[in-house]
Amino acid sequence: QVQLVQSGAEVKKPGASVKVSCKGSGYNFVSYGINWVRQAPGQGLEWVGWISAYSGNKNYAQSLQGRVTMTTDTSTNTAYMELRSLRSDDTAVYYCARGDIAEPGIIDNWGQGTLVTVSS
Amino acid sequence: DIQMTQSPSSLSASVGDRVTITCQASQDIKNKLNWYQQKPGKAPKLLIYDVSNLETGVPSRFSGSGTGPDFTFTISSLQPEDFATYYCQQYDNLILPRITFGQGTRLDIK
Repeated sequence: QVQLVQSGAEVKKPGASVKVSCKGSGYNFVSYGINWVRQAPGQGLEWVGWISAYSGNKNYAQSLQGRVTMTTDTSTNTAYMELRSLRSDDTAVYYCARGDIAEPGIIDNWGQGTLVTVSS
Repeated sequence: DIQMTQSPSSLSASVGDRVTITCQASQDIKNKLNWYQQKPGKAPKLLIYDVSNLETGVPSRFSGSGTGPDFTFTISSLQPEDFATYYCQQYDNLILPRITFGQGTRLDIK
């Protein structure tokens, strides 16, 4: 079955960087893209960005442009999301989620989420 | 950016009730509209894609309808396991993908 397994919780200080991983299994990794979606405590869902595992094409939410970088490693079927210059309002659960190459917004499988806490 | 206005933000209902949630897009989204269910501490789950298509394995009491800019999500007869938060979500793929979620509707037991 399709699985997306994310790395564990992180605690970071303001100004630091965090890199979250997401390993896919049970499907052809390069036939899909990976969306990253975050959810601050008690809040709704916010799209962070998307990367194609096939081409490496990517698009980021305008609010995070310049601070976020998404990559994939097709040799290990793993996607990564790095967020830099962390602020307290970046505290959230970060989800990776599979989207079809042709219809990337149809998100049919999600990782378990990674809690990133930014605190001094 | 496209904005999605979802209402109501919260809703109380009883088992067996019919429930409707609406979502309005700020621009033409060409029926690229999906609905998700999220339970506390869990990742969201896709229920409906492209306005009215039921995801595999999702019970038929869930349905979606509408044409831009107004869309509707309905649960025909609420079951105990349906109490959760629901989100609409639009996506466009004109050049590169861009996604926006609605604010969410929390569905509680009356």
